[in-house]
Amino acid sequence: ETGVTQSPTHLIKTRGQQVTLRCSSQSGHNTVSWYQQALGQGPQFIFQYYREEENGRGNFPPRFSGLQFPNYSSELNVNALELDDSALYLCASSPPQARPTDTQYFGPGTRLTVL
Amino acid sequence: KQEVTQIPAALSVPEGENLVLNCSFTDSAIYNLQWFRQDPGKGLTSLLLIQSSQREQTSGRLNASLDKSSGRSTLYIAASQPGDSATYLCAAPRPGQNFVFGPGTRLSVLP
Repeated sequence: ETGVTQSPTHLIKTRGQQVTLRCSSQSGHNTVSWYQQALGQGPQFIFQYYREEENGRGNFPPRFSGLQFPNYSSELNVNALELDDSALYLCASSPPQARPTDTQYFGPGTRLTVL
Repeated sequence: KQEVTQIPAALSVPEGENLVLNCSFTDSAIYNLQWFRQDPGKGLTSLLLIQSSQREQTSGRLNASLDKSSGRSTLYIAASQPGDSATYLCAAPRPGQNFVFGPGTRLSVLP
């Protein structure tokens, strides 16, 4: 167990709806990254938050947005859902003074299905 | 732009065999190279991390090598067991960038 939790485990939405996914990092981890993993593919970097501000973004449109809170929790919001947004969404947290690419602790993921 | 590929895409072997999984990356200016394990529908667990200045890392029955000049890394699994069945992913981030993952190798070890 990494101590990183995500909710919900599974989620079904219809095209055009909005969704919020949640992640709870380990206490003290002030960096969180979000990834999208389509079936049969490796995770794709969406964005990273450090001390409640976005600190890097992958090739994802603005309808993917996030928030990070002082209590080490974070959210991924996706507006105007499309069928291709169906995927496993992973969050990963890093402790202070650690480079994110050295030490990341992944949560179990949220499986999103868009119909 | 860093691109990471892995071969084979899938592998099925009897228990006890020694295995080799391959990872290739296009940009050799990597920060490090990491191998992860992912069980079905689950998150990722880090197995081995090789810094860009290193050539290999070992952990138990796992050994990973890195050849930056050729853009390749190899994960060697000795004496495979059914519990090794999972998807194995490599990631090769460039400095200042987040992980760039390969598509993974899906391994099945049959008892």
